[in-house]
Amino acid sequence: QKEVEQNSGPLSVPEGAIASLNCTYSDRGSQSFFWYRQYSGKSPELIMFIYSNGDKEDGRFTAQLNKASQYVSLLIRDSQPSDSATYLCAVNAGGTSYGKLTFGQGTILTVHP
Amino acid sequence: DGGITQSPKYLFRKEGQNVTLSCEQNLNHDAMYWYRQDPGQGLRLIYYSQIVNDFQKGDIAEGYSVSREKKESFPLTVTSAQKNPTAFYLCASSIARQTLDQPQHFGDGTRLSIL
Repeated sequence: QKEVEQNSGPLSVPEGAIASLNCTYSDRGSQSFFWYRQYSGKSPELIMFIYSNGDKEDGRFTAQLNKASQYVSLLIRDSQPSDSATYLCAVNAGGTSYGKLTFGQGTILTVHP
Repeated sequence: DGGITQSPKYLFRKEGQNVTLSCEQNLNHDAMYWYRQDPGQGLRLIYYSQIVNDFQKGDIAEGYSVSREKKESFPLTVTSAQKNPTAFYLCASSIARQTLDQPQHFGDGTRLSIL
């Protein structure tokens, strides 16, 4: 079983819709969770992070964390064609490995006009 | 402007050759990381360093070597022992503080191909 698994894509949504990206992780001791966006041919850029159960909102983006279910998601409201990219989920196990992230394989999102 | 600079952008390696990828940061970050990304895949950790003169192997360290002689610099050498080096290599850095809110920030990457 992969340590960090993302829903298989590609995911296609119409402009203005809500895009939902999901991520599960196997290490129950994982402490913080990061979402990165990666445009084709470019490096990843941080969208947001979360470490407490519940929702965290930043503009059109909402991260949701459920540690009991070992599940983290990213919602993108009012999706725009410029949101089309690969979204990477990353998990920090904490402890002596603080700072070290484990990445999922990514979900490709396409927002069509 | 503060950031992470990787060079070169594109690199070609001949059979049996070692090549070195440069990574420099002026963010005053303690920790630095090297990842490899293959097409359609996530990032896999090669090596990381949390302090000068110390580094640890990641998940796929075989065929690679690093050094951390200065806080700002973390070069990666792809040795001839790495039989499948064609990939996108990403360098990242972060504050090495034991808190939960320490994201990694990435350079623009180096694309390595075999001639």
